[in-house]
Amino acid sequence: GAVVSQHPSWVICKSGTSVKIECRSLDFQATTMFWYRQFPKQSLMLMATSNEGSKATYEQGVEKDKFLINHASLTLSTLTVTSAHPEDSSFYICSATGLAGDRQFFGPGTRLTVL
Amino acid sequence: GESVGLHLPTLSVQEGDNSIINCAYSNSASDYFIWYKQESGKGPQFIIDIRSNMDKRQGQRVTVLLNKTVKHLSLQIAATQPGDSAVYFCAGAEWNQGGKLIFGQGTELSVKP
Repeated sequence: GAVVSQHPSWVICKSGTSVKIECRSLDFQATTMFWYRQFPKQSLMLMATSNEGSKATYEQGVEKDKFLINHASLTLSTLTVTSAHPEDSSFYICSATGLAGDRQFFGPGTRLTVL
Repeated sequence: GESVGLHLPTLSVQEGDNSIINCAYSNSASDYFIWYKQESGKGPQFIIDIRSNMDKRQGQRVTVLLNKTVKHLSLQIAATQPGDSAVYFCAGAEWNQGGKLIFGQGTELSVKP
């Protein structure tokens, strides 16, 4: 149980385009979802926290107008990277917590490459 | 500011030996800690967690030790196997802060056959 999926697993796009990444909790209701970014050989950096039906809370230094997060249901959150640039190339990982609100379950990640 | 850091970026051990990965944290308010394993190109995989009211917790082949006095925790892997090769991260959280995790920098464990 407690499986989190992400789609797509990898995406390549041209500079200036927008990319949407989906995060789904497959067998539980996720009250809170988190979005992380990870550059090569580095740790996970929290970008934002989203609760179903409310606006996401962004970490300091993360542009909310560039990284749009929508958490419309208890099983789906989306991250849209708007006007992507090569420096946005990274590994994006989501996680979700269930109703108990304790452990975070991580998705497999999405590799974004912006040309 | 809040941070969770690791002492060593890489660790190489012989198959069958025990591995010890260390982590230091700076936020005294952190009361929940987790160890994750991340294989290349994959998301973090939960290994074991510990609350601040404990100083030791054991799982299958893994043990986490927490020393709140010096703000240090460690992950011990017994009889390390080639499949244990990965990057290991510690993460800390304040339980009443919505579960937000602060990750350490990671230690790359390499197991030599």
